[in-house]
Amino acid sequence: AQSVTQLGSHVSVSEGALVLLRCNYSSSVPPYLFWYVQYPNQGLQLLLKYTSAATLVKGINGFEAEFKKSETSFHLTKPSAHMSDAAEYFCAVGGNNNDMRFGAGTRLTVKP
Amino acid sequence: EPEVTQTPSHQVTQMGQEVILRCVPISNHLYFYWYRQILGQKVEFLVSFYNNEISEKSEIFDDQFSVERPDGSNFTLKIRSTKLEDSAMYFCASSGPGGSNQPQHFGDGTRLSIL
Repeated sequence: AQSVTQLGSHVSVSEGALVLLRCNYSSSVPPYLFWYVQYPNQGLQLLLKYTSAATLVKGINGFEAEFKKSETSFHLTKPSAHMSDAAEYFCAVGGNNNDMRFGAGTRLTVKP
Repeated sequence: EPEVTQTPSHQVTQMGQEVILRCVPISNHLYFYWYRQILGQKVEFLVSFYNNEISEKSEIFDDQFSVERPDGSNFTLKIRSTKLEDSAMYFCASSGPGGSNQPQHFGDGTRLSIL
């Protein structure tokens, strides 16, 4: 079965600092990987997706993620954090039967 | 931009009662999903639906749950006899042709509170 593991349930950075949110996947087939963001009291919004076209994927709001098969990782980064980036971030893997499995989430706090 | 809409935004129900959560997926999408998020926990997959039938369901989706697409626009989740532990946010999502390589678009969720 496919799954993702997010390392760190809570990440705190200063405004302007690098954001790094970690995600490792487990999959027996080439995975489809996604990052979603959830703002308080809202649904999940797609940040970016990996579907094997390119290993470095650029998403919205300045985020990007790099697929590394050798490390089974799909970490999310942003060079410079903004206060508005504070949210919950979920890594997810697309399943074989149109299901999607989410990681436990990482809460990002941005300090002024 | 088209959106997935869910109603109601908040549903309060007595334990043991039936509840129906409603969703209107994006109109040209073919795959429909329900997820659950218990307060403070991760988003959990419940069920996926394609071509008028369930294509995948998780261990959470037991006999008290059912889904239906009663017409061309709505997609509903019914919980037959609610329990306290059913209290959670329920998210509906839809995606276009292509299955699991397509991103899912989520609604803002229905907060279900069981008393």
